[in-house]
Amino acid sequence: GAVVSQHPSWVICKSGTSVKIECRSLDFQATTMFWYRQFPKQSLMLMATSNEGSKATYEQGVEKDKFLINHASLTLSTLTVTSAHPEDSSFYICSARMDSNQPQHFGDGTRLSIL
Amino acid sequence: GENVEQHPSTLSVQEGDSAVIKCTYSDSASNYFPWYKQELGKGPQLIIDIRSNVGEKKDQRIAVTLNKTAKHFSLHITETQPEDSAVYFCAASPGAGGTSYGKLTFGQGTILTVHP
Repeated sequence: GAVVSQHPSWVICKSGTSVKIECRSLDFQATTMFWYRQFPKQSLMLMATSNEGSKATYEQGVEKDKFLINHASLTLSTLTVTSAHPEDSSFYICSARMDSNQPQHFGDGTRLSIL
Repeated sequence: GENVEQHPSTLSVQEGDSAVIKCTYSDSASNYFPWYKQELGKGPQLIIDIRSNVGEKKDQRIAVTLNKTAKHFSLHITETQPEDSAVYFCAASPGAGGTSYGKLTFGQGTILTVHP
């Protein structure tokens, strides 16, 4: 149980385009989803916390207009990287939890490469 | 905010040996300490966790110890196998209550290589 799926797993696109990444909880309803970014050989850095039906809370230094997060349902959150540039290339990982009394379950990440 | 330091950054052992990874944290409010295993191209998978009201927890070949006074916790893997090779991350999280889970702050990761 507690499966989190991300799509796509890998995307390459040209500089200036926008890219949408989906995070789905497959067998549970997630009141909270988290988005992380991981650069090569580095740790996971939390970007934002998303609660269903409300605006995401962004960590310091993360541009909310650059990284748009939508959590419109209890099983789906999306991260849109707007006007992506090469420096946005990274591994983006989401996690989801049912409620604050449950641990986070992680997806398998999305490798984003901006040319 | 919380700061988690993890050592060593790389660890190489022979199959059958034990491996120990250590982490320290800064925020005394942290009370939940999970350990994750991340394989190449995958997301992190929870392998064991511990809360601050417990000093040690064991699950088969994996154990975690916590010293709340010193603010450090460690992962112990015994009888290592090649399939244990991966990147391991510790994390710390405050909780609003005894069973709740807050925001995770991760350590820098340890690349474990188990040689057959």
